[in-house]
Amino acid sequence: GESVGLHLPTLSVQEGDNSIINCAYSNSASDYFIWYKQESGKGPQFIIDIRSNMDKRQGQRVTVLLNKTVKHLSLQIAATQPGDSAVYLCAEKGGADGLTFGKGTHLIIQP
Amino acid sequence: DAGVIQSPRHEVTEMGQEVTLRCKPISGHNSLFWYRQTMMRGLELLIYFNNNVPIDDSGMPEDRFSAKMPNASFSTLKIQPSEPRDSAVYFCASSGPFEAFFGQGTRLTVV
Repeated sequence: GESVGLHLPTLSVQEGDNSIINCAYSNSASDYFIWYKQESGKGPQFIIDIRSNMDKRQGQRVTVLLNKTVKHLSLQIAATQPGDSAVYLCAEKGGADGLTFGKGTHLIIQP
Repeated sequence: DAGVIQSPRHEVTEMGQEVTLRCKPISGHNSLFWYRQTMMRGLELLIYFNNNVPIDDSGMPEDRFSAKMPNASFSTLKIQPSEPRDSAVYFCASSGPFEAFFGQGTRLTVV
């Protein structure tokens, strides 16, 4: 029978290349956005966040871009390393509400 | 701080039994969240507390699920009676004003 389940988008990049992971969010009232990294068997770990009054924020090897017009969030990872292989989750938050997560993207780093 | 602590890490139980999952949030955080992660649905918010008070439990799937937060340092998620479809990884997270920090999760298997 047909297999069912959450088919995560997969992005495969060569080690050392840059990667861009995209996320579309749904709530125009959301004012805070976070990227999490989830490795197998672990809980999501905070990577970087951005508030809605910004359109770009940089961290160490990571950059988050926010386009509120089209409700789009992206995570750029520079010079990818094997340890970057994981599922990347975007999350949005509006006011005092809890975080709402996207389904995630599976990033695979090839040697 | 040791981060968010969840117990047990793994739980296998028979259908119909009561299951209690436990969480100790990070000291000083005033919000606590319970999430469920499955292959089918990804990461879903079940309930969240602010200052020990349940704010939104619309994600709790059925009356079989209940959550409590008797004080700022402890929360439980109870399933009674448990069913095989409850099998998932359950995450607890806590936050201050911004990002949420996740525990390592409890992998629940109901047979």
